[in-house]
Amino acid sequence: KAGVTQTPRYLIKTRGQQVTLSCSPISGHRSVSWYQQTPGQGLQFLFEYFSETQRNKGNFPGRFSGRQFSNSRSEMNVSTLELGDSALYLCASSWGPRGGSGNTIYFGEGSWLTVV
Amino acid sequence: GQQLNQSPQSMFIQEGEDVSMNCTSSSIFNTWLWYKQDPGEGPVLLIALYKAGELTSNGRLTAQFGITRKDSFLNISASIPSDVGIYFCAGHLLNNNDMRFGAGTRLTVKP
Repeated sequence: KAGVTQTPRYLIKTRGQQVTLSCSPISGHRSVSWYQQTPGQGLQFLFEYFSETQRNKGNFPGRFSGRQFSNSRSEMNVSTLELGDSALYLCASSWGPRGGSGNTIYFGEGSWLTVV
Repeated sequence: GQQLNQSPQSMFIQEGEDVSMNCTSSSIFNTWLWYKQDPGEGPVLLIALYKAGELTSNGRLTAQFGITRKDSFLNISASIPSDVGIYFCAGHLLNNNDMRFGAGTRLTVKP
């Protein structure tokens, strides 16, 4: 069964631009969560979508947003990019809500965003 | 956010040595997960633990869910160069439907 698929894998954007990243979860998984990973900060939780509803949100500014479609695919958007947004953005999926007992999350390979 | 204390932060070992790392917290968890992340790649699930006291192996890897439900450890036996990477733990908080992550242990294996 196919794993979590993220596109694009690599992208370079200019400060002030906006970016949209896409995530296709494992078939049958209804929860998609997004994370930002940087060398200094490690893995930081952005938000989780379950059955098209945002279930949880991390401590990130409103420039970071997301959505989930009826087929469970998810997108995240970052507007007005800043240099500090350069990071690996990871998507993970699970059958049930993130953090629920027994609901193991599986990560995609990530999207490397560089802001110049 | 990261509220799991993972140690050590990094390890430099010789090929063939055994490795041990752990995660602790003041909170109680009902699930512990261990992942490995290679440079430039996404984390890959190694072992999932669902019950206090559970001891699970995956090849040369062994992980245990602490009896107090506040900690977990991962052991790697007879390390090989391809074990190089960052290992991190994740826990599902009891009665909270939320997760916490460790900051990771960077493992370097010298041939």
